[in-house]
Amino acid sequence: DAGVTQSPTHLIKTRGQQVTLRCSPISGHKSVSWYQQVLGQGPQFIFQYYEKEERGRGNFPDRFSARQFPNYSSELNVNALLLGDSALYLCASSLTPGTPDAFEAFFGQGTRLTVV
Amino acid sequence: KQEVTQIPAALSVPEGENLVLNCSFTDSAIYNLQWFRQDPGKGLTSLLLIQSSQREQTSGRLNASLDKSSGRSTLYIAASQPGDSATYLCAVRGVMDSSYKLIFGSGTRLLVRP
Repeated sequence: DAGVTQSPTHLIKTRGQQVTLRCSPISGHKSVSWYQQVLGQGPQFIFQYYEKEERGRGNFPDRFSARQFPNYSSELNVNALLLGDSALYLCASSLTPGTPDAFEAFFGQGTRLTVV
Repeated sequence: KQEVTQIPAALSVPEGENLVLNCSFTDSAIYNLQWFRQDPGKGLTSLLLIQSSQREQTSGRLNASLDKSSGRSTLYIAASQPGDSATYLCAVRGVMDSSYKLIFGSGTRLLVRP
């Protein structure tokens, strides 16, 4: 079975540009979360989506937005890129919330975004 | 506000040693705790998930324990190998958080020397 897939794997953008990152969850998983990881730190929560609705948002500016599609895949959009947005962006999927085992998160390989 | 701390930040050991990585969290109201492995520039690989009602979980040479009341978890790696070299992250999921988000520590960078 395919794991969580993210695209692209690497991306270089210029300050002020916009970027879209994509994530396909594990088959059968309906929850997708996005995390940002800067070098030397643990991942920081950005968004969580379940059944196409936003269920949580971390402490990130409105330049960050996301959505989930009917097939449970997801996109993360970042507008007006800043140098500080350079990071590894990780997508995680999990089963339907509600049972303890459903909370195990499985991560993709990430998208390395460099803003120059 | 939940905070997760991992000690030590870095660890270098010779091959074959048994080792312990530590994780502490400030709020004991958690659903579960998850240990991950991360190779340089790569995503996270789930190693072990411990539910709040459990005391430990084992997978191969890995054993993770959870003491929720004291806000501590340890990851025990037996007979370490060079292939175990990576960053190990622990993360907790809080009961009071409807987003079910994971809160991570900064990780322990492990180097196992041949």
